[in-house]
Amino acid sequence: ETGVTQTPRHLVMGMTNKKSLKCEQHLGHNAMYWYKQSAKKPLELMFVYNFKEQTENNSVPSRFSPECPNSSHLFLHLHTLQPEDSALYLCASSQDFKVAGLSYEQYFGPGTRLTVT
Amino acid sequence: GQSLEQPSEVTAVEGAIVQINCTYQTSGFYGLSWYQQHDGGAPTFLSYNALDGLEETGRFSSFLSRSDSYGYLLLQELQMKDSASYFCAVLNSGNTPLVFGKGTRLSVIA
Repeated sequence: ETGVTQTPRHLVMGMTNKKSLKCEQHLGHNAMYWYKQSAKKPLELMFVYNFKEQTENNSVPSRFSPECPNSSHLFLHLHTLQPEDSALYLCASSQDFKVAGLSYEQYFGPGTRLTVT
Repeated sequence: GQSLEQPSEVTAVEGAIVQINCTYQTSGFYGLSWYQQHDGGAPTFLSYNALDGLEETGRFSSFLSRSDSYGYLLLQELQMKDSASYFCAVLNSGNTPLVFGKGTRLSVIA
């Protein structure tokens, strides 16, 4: 138990569906992240939020839409996904993003295994 | 750009010592982290090196040479439960603070 929870753990959706992934951290951290993990590929950073402000969008397609209502919660809204979007989506948190050297220790949630059919 | 290289797979015998190497290319380097991920699990933080040298935490040690852009993770007295994927990750000053390698899958055999 890392203090970061994600729901749902598994999700199967069609290409025309709309769904949302939820992440919650109980660590008092100020930075939260969404990563995509595909087989045989490194962890890919998708979005970063620091103190609820989005600081990074790594050229992610608009069919992925993040939302961070407060420092403890992070959502990833999904719509009209493609089969190649099937992957493990991991949420993580750390103390701070902008203070140098404080984001080396990130705490990850268990992930949502997404399958797009 | 940024890149990290680590072996894709390593196999070692229970009770032995194994070293997983990581070389990197990046700008604005702060330090090197290591993470462990078991199948079906979340990555968990193992260690961080900001300065040259060896950091020891129980059976695991991590080394960094900034001048060589190189580091390694050393696992001693291997146990079956150490079978997992191990990722090196570079912490830098860019917009992507932590850049991960592709991971090394360690298999511990009896």
